[in-house]
Amino acid sequence: KAGVTQTPRYLIKTRGQQVTLSCSPISGHRSVSWYQQTPGQGLQFLFEYFSETQRNKGNFPGRFSGRQFSNSRSEMNVSTLELGDSALYLCASTLTYNEQFFGPGTRLTVL
Amino acid sequence: GQNIDQPTEMTATEGAIVQINCTYQTSGFNGLFWYQQHAGEAPTFLSYNVLDGLEEKGRFSSFLSRSKGYSYLLLKELQMKDSASYLCAVRGPSGGSYIPTFGRGTSLIVHP
Repeated sequence: KAGVTQTPRYLIKTRGQQVTLSCSPISGHRSVSWYQQTPGQGLQFLFEYFSETQRNKGNFPGRFSGRQFSNSRSEMNVSTLELGDSALYLCASTLTYNEQFFGPGTRLTVL
Repeated sequence: GQNIDQPTEMTATEGAIVQINCTYQTSGFNGLFWYQQHAGEAPTFLSYNVLDGLEEKGRFSSFLSRSKGYSYLLLKELQMKDSASYLCAVRGPSGGSYIPTFGRGTSLIVHP
């Protein structure tokens, strides 16, 4: 059974640009969550989608947005990138409400 | 909001038992999670507790006391591969959502 896949794995952008990250959950999983991990702030929840609807949202500015498609694949977008957005962005999919399976992450560097 | 506290670093010997504590303050409670994260890798789910008591899963067990705002992760028969960061997370209310808040993680070093 294939795991959670995230693309791209690495990304370099400059301040002011926007970026879109993609996540494909495990087959059959309908819930997808996104997280940001940095050395300074640790692991922080961004948002969760279930059946194309945003179910929960963390405390991030509106520059961070996401969506989920009918096949459960999800994308997150960050507009007007700032240096502080440099981080590992993790996607996790869930079959039940609790056990999450994480993808390998996308390492975003903002210059 | 939520506040999560766990020790920064612990060391233990291969074959021993180690207990990693997590204390939390939250305005509401909807479950506590433990994750393992090896350096350079994504977190791996270990356990979920929503009711008081001990949940055992192989060499790993997790305990929760909601009245005390306290949990621990117990690792038995430690192996070198258990050297990793262990993250405690509490799900609770925030701005109309239920979101997980993570502790900073406990770095466990297992030595021979």
